[in-house]
Amino acid sequence: DVVMTQSPLSLPVTLGQSASISCRSSQSLVHSDGNTYLNWFQQRPGQSPRRLIYRVSNRDSGVPDRFSGSGSGTDFTLKISRVEADDVGVYYCMQGTHWPLTFGGGTKVEIK
Amino acid sequence: EGQLLESGGGLVQPGGSLRLSCAASGFTFSSYAMNWVRQAPGKGLEWVSAISGSASTTYYEDSMKGRFTISRDNSKNTLYLQMNSLRADDTAVYYCAKGVREGGSVWGQGTTVTVSS
Repeated sequence: DVVMTQSPLSLPVTLGQSASISCRSSQSLVHSDGNTYLNWFQQRPGQSPRRLIYRVSNRDSGVPDRFSGSGSGTDFTLKISRVEADDVGVYYCMQGTHWPLTFGGGTKVEIK
Repeated sequence: EGQLLESGGGLVQPGGSLRLSCAASGFTFSSYAMNWVRQAPGKGLEWVSAISGSASTTYYEDSMKGRFTISRDNSKNTLYLQMNSLRADDTAVYYCAKGVREGGSVWGQGTTVTVSS
């Protein structure tokens, strides 16, 4: 199985500052169809997960442009610019290239 | 974009069975592969199973193969997860999600399964 390793586990951030979350996969996530199926989710306290980014860098409708995804191969990053109080929660990366699909362990973003 | 509504969770004894349902609305259900994902109390997300839009192809996480069966009824816009031989470590909130490789553009609110004697 592809292991998804996120860091850090916990990320205290000052309001208005930027935050970056790293996600590394144990195998390349480039699919034979040429796409890289690396997705990012946000889970606010008490809520269902919500997708933010799909295929590395495509932002979902309604997601603020403060959220951006980048990376390739096995190394990916979610960046949150100008962190707001509403961004508090756990963030997960997930790979959809190889079966079984797998999630990272999550990064908890909190306000300092 | 659509909506998903899970149901069927509850308290079940170890070794018991449960059938979860996920009712879809607001999109052409048969055009989308669907996922089940679960989250144990205080833990992260764990992928469970996926099914193609036509139901011709199914996938399972290894520890659930042989115990769980995913299916769908496109005439009823409903996704199912039949869970047999349930164990304490199957206790979780179970979510259905629209789409598979891209992780799910729409998720339901989840249904809680508790396996305990």
